[in-house]
This record gives sequence, structure tokens and C-alpha cells, in this order.
Amino acid sequence: DAEITQSPRHKITETGRQVTLACHQTWNHNNMFWYRQDLGHGLRLIHYSYGVQDTNKGEVSDGYSVSRSNTEDLPLTLESAASSQTSVYFCASGAGGPSSNEQFFGPGTRLTVL
Amino acid sequence: QKEVEQDPGPLSVPEGAIVSLNCTYSNSAFQYFMWYRQYSRKGPELLMYTYSSGNKEDGRFTAQVDKSSKYISLFIRDSQPSDSATYLCAMKEGAQKLVFGQGTRLTINP
Repeated sequence: DAEITQSPRHKITETGRQVTLACHQTWNHNNMFWYRQDLGHGLRLIHYSYGVQDTNKGEVSDGYSVSRSNTEDLPLTLESAASSQTSVYFCASGAGGPSSNEQFFGPGTRLTVL
Repeated sequence: QKEVEQDPGPLSVPEGAIVSLNCTYSNSAFQYFMWYRQYSRKGPELLMYTYSSGNKEDGRFTAQVDKSSKYISLFIRDSQPSDSATYLCAMKEGAQKLVFGQGTRLTINP
């Protein structure tokens, strides 16, 4: 069965370290998204991609970067982790197009920055 | 002001009650309206989707969209403890990215 996976599921790191969160989907979806979820803010979009070599900034992109070298993967990098980036991170994928509204979400990565 | 506003709750009701969850929005160009359900420590999953105004029913769940008031609702009839989750509304304009509400945490008490 097609799926979307994230790794690691839990991560503790220190301020200033570079951290990469992995996202892998086997749906063969063109669109992939990274969100963070914090109490009181719901899901906020960090970065997204509509295909290989395409990346775009979301509403909370500062301090994060992504790259898309193939269809299946969209890793999220925190260049220099900050305590404000402690959050739960969700990756999602979707088929794309105006009539395609479903995004399939991964199980999430819980990141703590000390 | 956020584009999509949703009361975060928490909302606690007895089993069998009718639950009403709501979102308001400011962007009149939104055309596609969705409700996602998220169980604790899981990723959200699509529950219902509606295009433009009107109602859509799926079992115990009914989604309503009132574009004139920029207001959407999700009704749950005969609520069950298994319905306990966070419900997020989401909407978008055409091929644009989804905009989510803050989510409402719902607990159904046996």
C-alpha cells in the first residue's frame, strides 16, 4: 500500500545545530508540503513543492530549507535550530490540481530544541 | 486577522449528542472546503470535502458551507467516543495551497 513516512519520529537537539527531517512518500504525488503544528496555531505551512526541483516558501519559512531532487522525498532542514522551532512537524503529499483536495499526512516528527 | 478562524475549544459533550463545529473565513475566493480529523499523536486525515456552497452528508457527518456568510460547519450526529479527536477545517482557492484553521479539540464522554 502507498504511504508517507517521516523520520525520525522524535528528535532532541541543541540550539545552533543543523537538523534534517526526512519525508518519503510512495503515492507518486507531485505535491509535497511541510507543516508545523503548535498549540493555538493549528497547521502552518513551512515550505512546499509542486514537483522535482520546485520549492516554495510558506508562511513560516524563516530558518528552514527544503530541496526536491526526486518525486518521493522532501527533506526539511533547520539550518541552525532555535528553541522557537520546538514543535511537531508534519509532512504531507497530494496529487495536485484544483480538483484534488486531499493531502495525505505522515505520522509527524516531534522535535525538541534545548 | 487570520484568514481562517476556528474556535480551539476544548469541547466536551456526552455520547449521543449532536456536535457542531464551525469555522469562519475572510477570503471570498475560497472554493474548496474540507474537514480533517486528527487523533492524538497522529497525522490529520481527510474526513469530508465540499465544493462551493451547500451541504454534504456522509453517515453521521454533515458538512455545510455558507459562502455568503463565509461560514462552514461540521455536524456530527449520535456522537461516539471514537469521534474524540481534533477537527481542523481547511480551505483553498483553485489550485492554491490549503489554509487550515487552528483545530477544535473534541471529547465525547461515554
